[in-house]
Amino acid sequence: DTAVSQTPKYLVTQMGNDKSIKCEQNLGHDTMYWYKQDSKKFLKIMFSYNNKELIINETVPNRFSPKSPDKAHLNLHINSLELGDSAVYFCASSHRPRQGGVQETQYFGPGTRLLVL
Amino acid sequence: GESVGLHLPTLSVQEGDNSIINCAYSNSASDYFIWYKQESGKGPQFIIDIRSNMDKRQGQRVTVLLNKTVKHLSLQIAATQPGDSAVYFCAELSMNSGYSTLTFGKGTMLLVSP
Repeated sequence: DTAVSQTPKYLVTQMGNDKSIKCEQNLGHDTMYWYKQDSKKFLKIMFSYNNKELIINETVPNRFSPKSPDKAHLNLHINSLELGDSAVYFCASSHRPRQGGVQETQYFGPGTRLLVL
Repeated sequence: GESVGLHLPTLSVQEGDNSIINCAYSNSASDYFIWYKQESGKGPQFIIDIRSNMDKRQGQRVTVLLNKTVKHLSLQIAATQPGDSAVYFCAELSMNSGYSTLTFGKGTMLLVSP
């Protein structure tokens, strides 16, 4: 009964390749996110989708393209991989904040460890 | 831009001690804060949250304190256990056009010795 799942867990690839990471949540959330965690453990938001619509797009190279086929899935495709893309990528999900600005906790997947050689 | 940060990168304690992990934030408009625990090889796991209209919130063995005057947040873990060893992040949730953005601090590694 995994809440937020990601595949693959590990991804080792050559520079210049194109790869995809998949994320699925079974929590019934309508908002999903991608975060990048660097070697110093710093976590930073990359994208946010609500009901398949892109909401947040931080300063991320356009080689990164998220795709949301439905609100339970948010995939991340990366073109022309570079050495600096090596990191751990986390998917997360939450309910959309409710009326009145009530915040909703985000739940994270186990991460995908990407190593670009 | 504004950010959330931590004072101590590593905290080493003995089993049974109480642990205190600190966090400073700079966005005075923030109204919701979360502590996450990240064990090795896993994703961040929600521990406890607190809203800005509160000074203190208690969970099971954990307490979060919020001091809005000095923009400081702390996580207290009572009777620390080896299983508490992990990286702890404070995070600030801010609203942007009706959607939330989570900004993480740098993380503190807690090492618990048996």
